[in-house]
Parts: sequence; structure tokens; C-alpha cells
Amino acid sequence: GEDVEQSLFLSVREGDSSVINCTYTDSSSTYLYWYKQEPGAGLQLLTYIFSNMDMKQDQRLTVLLNKKDKHLSLRIADTQTGDSAIYFCAEPQTGNQFYFGTGTSLTVIP
Amino acid sequence: NAGVTQTPKFRILKIGQSMTLQCTQDMNHNYMYWYRQDPGMGLKLIYYSVGAGITDKGEVPNGYNVSRSTTEDFPLRLELAAPSQTSVYFCASSYAYTGELFFGEGSRLTVL
Repeated sequence: GEDVEQSLFLSVREGDSSVINCTYTDSSSTYLYWYKQEPGAGLQLLTYIFSNMDMKQDQRLTVLLNKKDKHLSLRIADTQTGDSAIYFCAEPQTGNQFYFGTGTSLTVIP
Repeated sequence: NAGVTQTPKFRILKIGQSMTLQCTQDMNHNYMYWYRQDPGMGLKLIYYSVGAGITDKGEVPNGYNVSRSTTEDFPLRLELAAPSQTSVYFCASSYAYTGELFFGEGSRLTVL
């Protein structure tokens, strides 16, 4: 997308926490999203955060938003092998264009 | 509910051939999108539509065309296939542009 950046790879051991980071560009975005893509499948919405929030918790998932630095992170607690996938941050930018980051491939080692 | 349906799932084209990737959704969504996914590059927006009769270019529109004659359908046309168009293509739809995107399963295209 329009310079929505993520690191490409992350490897963690089962049971540890995973933190996936994203830097976005459009400070006017109302929502920011995390999508998950399992092998051979399309993307599915994992969670989202409203732009006036700093943090959102949803079971094992914690989303942190730093608007000043335009930084978004996704923390997965007690990471399981089923969490192995590619994770994309996404933002709707002006002009009805929905942009995705480069994706972070998470590998969970048993 | 079928959601977003893409066809074909796989296709091999020769350089210079043309083809259309079909996308249809049954959720009465106004917004529809075409993305391509290349390894390490994430998803790049090709074209999008905010309603029937309206289409706009995304980041990488060259070599592609779209139409939106109905709310349900948003086909993507490749006129003169090139090896650079080898990719996985995803169609998506949403109720509003800040809403959740629903994706099809993807169409893997190889141009040889």
C-alpha cells in the first residue's frame, strides 16, 4: 500500500508472545485493521481499533496504537501453532482506497 | 451465504493472451476491490469501485481494466498478458470504505 510498512518475518516458540509491528501513513484514518491470511486462503479480519483509542484487547489479542508516531502493533499472547499465518495491517486512506501493509509471516515453533 | 466468489482459481496464460477474472458478491456491498499479491510485496490495489457504474484506479492499474455494471459483479480484464502479471489476485468487497473487507479465495495466474 501507500508505504504501510511491516517487517517480513517473525518466528516465536509456542507459548511465547508475538508482537507484529506496522507503520502507517494516513493520520486521518478512522479505523486501523489487522487481517490474517492462512496458507492458500484469502484474508480475514482479525481485529480493528478505532483511531481515538490507544489500546484494544480481544482475548489473546492486544492492539496498541501510537498516533503520534503512526505506529500500530498486534500482540498475540500464548502463541499457538494455529497462529502461524501472514498478518497484514490495513488502513482506509482518502479517496476510498484501502491499503495493506507488506505482511508479516509468523512462524510458530512447537 | 457464498460471500465473495472468484473464478477461475488457477489459470495459465501465454504472453499476449487476454482473459477476465470474475468476481461476484451476494452481500449487496457497494464497495469492491481488486488486489494482487506478490511475495514480500503485500497486497497492491489495482482498481476499486464505490458502486455500480463507478470505477477508479488504484496503485497498479496498468495492464488491467474493470467494469461495474451491477452491484454484484466486478470483473477484472487483462488485455495483453505479460509475465509481470503473474500473481495471485484477490477480489474483496465491503459495505462502507471504513468497514470490514470480505475476500474471495484468490485466483492464481501464471503468464508464460
